[in-house]
Amino acid sequence: GAGVSQSPRYKVAKRGQDVALRCDPISGHVSLFWYQQALGQGPEFLTYFQNEAQLDKSGLPSDRFFAERPEGSVSTLKIQRTQQEDSAVYLCASSPRDRANEKLFFGSGTQLSVL
Amino acid sequence: GESVGLHLPTLSVQEGDNSIINCAYSNSASDYFIWYKQESGKGPQFIIDIRSNMDKRQGQRVTVLLNKTVKHLSLQIAATQPGDSAVYFCAERGTSYGKLTFGQGTILTVHP
Repeated sequence: GAGVSQSPRYKVAKRGQDVALRCDPISGHVSLFWYQQALGQGPEFLTYFQNEAQLDKSGLPSDRFFAERPEGSVSTLKIQRTQQEDSAVYLCASSPRDRANEKLFFGSGTQLSVL
Repeated sequence: GESVGLHLPTLSVQEGDNSIINCAYSNSASDYFIWYKQESGKGPQFIIDIRSNMDKRQGQRVTVLLNKTVKHLSLQIAATQPGDSAVYFCAERGTSYGKLTFGQGTILTVHP
């Protein structure tokens, strides 16, 4: 069966450029999460959706980061005016339950490099 | 959290040995813990979980032990195989709904 799909797999951006990262969760999964993983470190929470509602965005590092999930399925993480410190792997995860973060299923991530 | 850069703890074992990976967690209010395996270029893969009202849980070739007194979590892998080579992360759920906090990770290398 299809897992969590993320695109693009790799993204190279020039500093100051806007980027959009897409996540297709497992069909029917209620909860969706975005995490940021720097090289050599564990994933760090960015934001969480239950259906289309963004219930927690406390991990977004600045107002340049914006996430949406308008129809409760596909989600997009947008980063405006990218900076070099934004370079990381951005992981999306989904969970089937409305009680979140039990058995998260992760995608392979989008590796963002800001030059 | 603190950054340890590229200096992750490492564990090297021979194929067939048992492996034990340790993790210290920070939040005494955490009620749920998970171990993930991450291979190069892939996202974390769920291995096993445990709730705070338990101190041991077993899966296929894996056992998780939880010691709440000292806030310590361990993952035991029996008869380790080369395919087990990866980075292993523990994660905890605290009081923030929908948010997991990951540990720094341990690199496991299994030699044939």
